[in-house]
Amino acid sequence: NAGVTQTPKFRVLKTGQSMTLLCAQDMNHEYMYWYRQDPGMGLRLIHYSVGEGTTAKGEVPDGYNVSRLKKQNFLLGLESAAPSQTSVYFCASRKTTSGGGTGELFFGEGSRLTVL
Amino acid sequence: AQSVAQPEDQVNVAEGNPLTVKCTYSVSGNPYLFWYVQYPNRGLQFLLKYITGDNLVKGSYGFEAEFNKSQTSFHLKKPSALVSDSALYFCAVRVTTSGTYKYIFGTGTRLKVLA
Repeated sequence: NAGVTQTPKFRVLKTGQSMTLLCAQDMNHEYMYWYRQDPGMGLRLIHYSVGEGTTAKGEVPDGYNVSRLKKQNFLLGLESAAPSQTSVYFCASRKTTSGGGTGELFFGEGSRLTVL
Repeated sequence: AQSVAQPEDQVNVAEGNPLTVKCTYSVSGNPYLFWYVQYPNRGLQFLLKYITGDNLVKGSYGFEAEFNKSQTSFHLKKPSALVSDSALYFCAVRVTTSGTYKYIFGTGTRLKVLA
């Protein structure tokens, strides 16, 4: 059981380049989240999705776009990367409460992005 | 504003001694509280949660946490620390915003267990 898988694990970009991070979960979870982790700041929510075809902004959405065309996948895009987007990105998912979930998030192993 | 605070950036404890990692929260309503652990170059792993009921909750790897409503705290504890417990620990609270659940994380506490 793979759980939550993120690709790529590492990426180096130049300022202005674009890229997409892929998150895939095989647990049939409805909710999916993208966070960024920066030293001393904990995890901050970028975007989230409550189901296939729906997305919403989190705490720090500027400079990012997302899509959830399939229930198992949640893509995070950077259209024009900036050095301030250098970070470690984590995807997470969870079940709905009505679906038997008890609230905990399941995390991927992270994607380390460096923007030069 | 709803928030979670972890007042200590780092906690050092000798192996075999009890450990405590502190967490306080500020939310409206009844909180759902969580602890996660992050080992180097890994994602966060769920340790334990408090939803309702007994104020002392037990979780993975011998960890437990005590919910204290009057002090709005949810401190993580372990009776006897292991070197392998050295990691980054995050407290989180689930809040309801615009009809959706969101999770607010603390800034993390690095635990170092010294042999």
